[in-house]
Amino acid sequence: AQSVSQHNHHVILSEAASLELGCNYSYGGTVNLFWYVQYPGQHLQLLLKYFSGDPLVKGIKGFEAEFIKSKFSFNLRKPSVQWSDTAEYFCAVSTDSWGKLQFGAGTQVVVTP
Amino acid sequence: DAMVIQNPRYQVTQFGKPVTLSCSQTLNHNVMYWYQQKSSQAPKLLFHYYDKDFNNEADTPDNFQSRRPNTSFCFLDIRSPGLGDAAMYLCATSPERGARKTQYFGPGTRLLVL
Repeated sequence: AQSVSQHNHHVILSEAASLELGCNYSYGGTVNLFWYVQYPGQHLQLLLKYFSGDPLVKGIKGFEAEFIKSKFSFNLRKPSVQWSDTAEYFCAVSTDSWGKLQFGAGTQVVVTP
Repeated sequence: DAMVIQNPRYQVTQFGKPVTLSCSQTLNHNVMYWYQQKSSQAPKLLFHYYDKDFNNEADTPDNFQSRRPNTSFCFLDIRSPGLGDAAMYLCATSPERGARKTQYFGPGTRLLVL
């Protein structure tokens, strides 16, 4: 069965620090990759997605992610975080025609002023 | 604004007492999903609908059922809640089927079972 793993459950960093969140998946076929974010008190929303083409994708709020097929990874990055980036971040994979999402367990990111 | 709405936001029920969670959407999306998210775990898909075509995941307990009377509304029924069913329940929609479609989530209903 396919799975999605996120390396860190909790990350604490200071404003202006760089952020990288790891995501690995186990699936040998074509994958569609997503990062969703949940800000405190809000609903899950799409941050960025990758289907094909340039493996470096840019999303909202200065986030980007890189797909490395050989490593089955889709890591999320932001060069300089802000306090407002405090949130929980979920990596997800979709492989079937229904669009069902397989989520990772999430990474709680806390940015301190 | 078009959105996905879940009611109630918090639901407390007693062990074994049936409970219904509701989801509505103003997006006019064809696909609706129900996920269960337990503390510190990944959201796990329970069911999904394409229009009225219902699909449940193989490992969704029989205790869980769903109804979609029309495009806008979808319900999750838990016939006899156990302590292990305490979780956040997320409803999501998507305009059409497809692995590349974005899902739009509601705020969730947190279920507590006493």
